[in-house]
Amino acid sequence: NAGVTQTPKFQVLKTGQSMTLQCAQDMNHNSMYWYRQDPGMGLRLIYYSASEGTTDKGEVPNGYNVSRLNKREFSLRLESAAPSQTSVYFCASSEPTTGDQPQHFGDGTRLSIL
Amino acid sequence: EDQVTQSPEALRLQEGESSSLNCSYTVSGLRGLFWYRQDPGKGPEFLFTLYSAGEEKEKERLKATLTKKESFLHITAPKPEDSATYLCAVRGTGNQFYFGTGTSLTVIP
Repeated sequence: NAGVTQTPKFQVLKTGQSMTLQCAQDMNHNSMYWYRQDPGMGLRLIYYSASEGTTDKGEVPNGYNVSRLNKREFSLRLESAAPSQTSVYFCASSEPTTGDQPQHFGDGTRLSIL
Repeated sequence: EDQVTQSPEALRLQEGESSSLNCSYTVSGLRGLFWYRQDPGKGPEFLFTLYSAGEEKEKERLKATLTKKESFLHITAPKPEDSATYLCAVRGTGNQFYFGTGTSLTVIP
């Protein structure tokens, strides 16, 4: 019963490099989310996908792109990494059909941009 | 604008010393208020959902309550293993969840 799986767990990049963070869920949830978590800032929404085939911007989308590959998978891409994108990235999923369903989170990707 | 504020930012308790964490919120059409626990190096772990004012949920030493403007997470006789960051989030009429910045709880043996 894996829940939400994120890869990689750690990554160090140089400024200007690109990379894709992967997320997969096995709970058959329709909605998936990408957050970043920074000290003192809490969890901030980057992008979300309410259902397969749709994506929407969250609070801090600049510098990121997403792809909802299928119902299970939602990836986050940094095209040209900047030091300001150093953070811990969390993927989450939920079933939005009833409002009181919580989000379930992966254990995060710790990303450092040098 | 939907918003969540948690207090205090940090709390240190002696083992067995009960206390409460606060989560105040403004949201259009509350569809759920959620409490999570986050351990260092881990993702948030779901604890409770509260939906309507007056509702209460309990799990071991934790009890969550909800009013129209705030929620409390009461911790009774805490143990060192309760040390973690506790996050509060709300969901309004849209698909987004709004998180507070959390309360870092340390329970000293």
